[in-house]
Amino acid sequence: DGGITQSPKYLFRKEGQNVTLSCEQNLNHDAMYWYRQDPGQGLRLIYYSQIVNDFQKGDIAEGYSVSREKKESFPLTVTSAQKNPTAFYLCASSPDRGGTEAFFGQGTRLTVV
Amino acid sequence: GNSVTQMEGPVTLSEEAFLTINCTYTATGYPSLFWYVQYPGEGLQLLLKATKADDKGSNKGFEATYRKETTSFHLEKGSVQVSDSAVYFCALTKYNTDKLIFGTGTRLQVFP
Repeated sequence: DGGITQSPKYLFRKEGQNVTLSCEQNLNHDAMYWYRQDPGQGLRLIYYSQIVNDFQKGDIAEGYSVSREKKESFPLTVTSAQKNPTAFYLCASSPDRGGTEAFFGQGTRLTVV
Repeated sequence: GNSVTQMEGPVTLSEEAFLTINCTYTATGYPSLFWYVQYPGEGLQLLLKATKADDKGSNKGFEATYRKETTSFHLEKGSVQVSDSAVYFCALTKYNTDKLIFGTGTRLQVFP
């Protein structure tokens, strides 16, 4: 079945450590996105990519980094520079550049301990 | 800039009640409009969409009509079920833009 796979579902990190969240899609979509969701809040865009080897900052990119070396993969690294990293992270993809719906993964819940 | 505003929750209803969740938007031109649903601990799923004025999106008993004159896309369902309890997000996007813009979400709680 086609879809978006995020892993792991739950992740614990010690303060000061970097951690990488995986996102893989087999939908052959060009665009991929990372969102952050905090309790009781909407989704905030971290980074997005419209094409391989290219990506742009979203609204809250500080303390995060991404790569897009392959069309199907868009990993997100939460660095130690991110002051408040505990959140629910959602990866999404869409077929083209806007105008169509996005498809979401099941999310990764990151907790800093 | 483009934005989406939806009513704050939680919305609390009894089973079989009528549901309305308001959503208004600000955008130039002709955005596409969406409703997504998020069940606890999961990602978002597309519920319905409309791509031009006066279009009605519908799915699983939910409906929303794209009203350009009032810049609205209100979500409705005639008879809610306990299983509809979730968070509902209104969103927009425009062709050849880079983002899907979300509202803050509205939590729906349906009690038996």
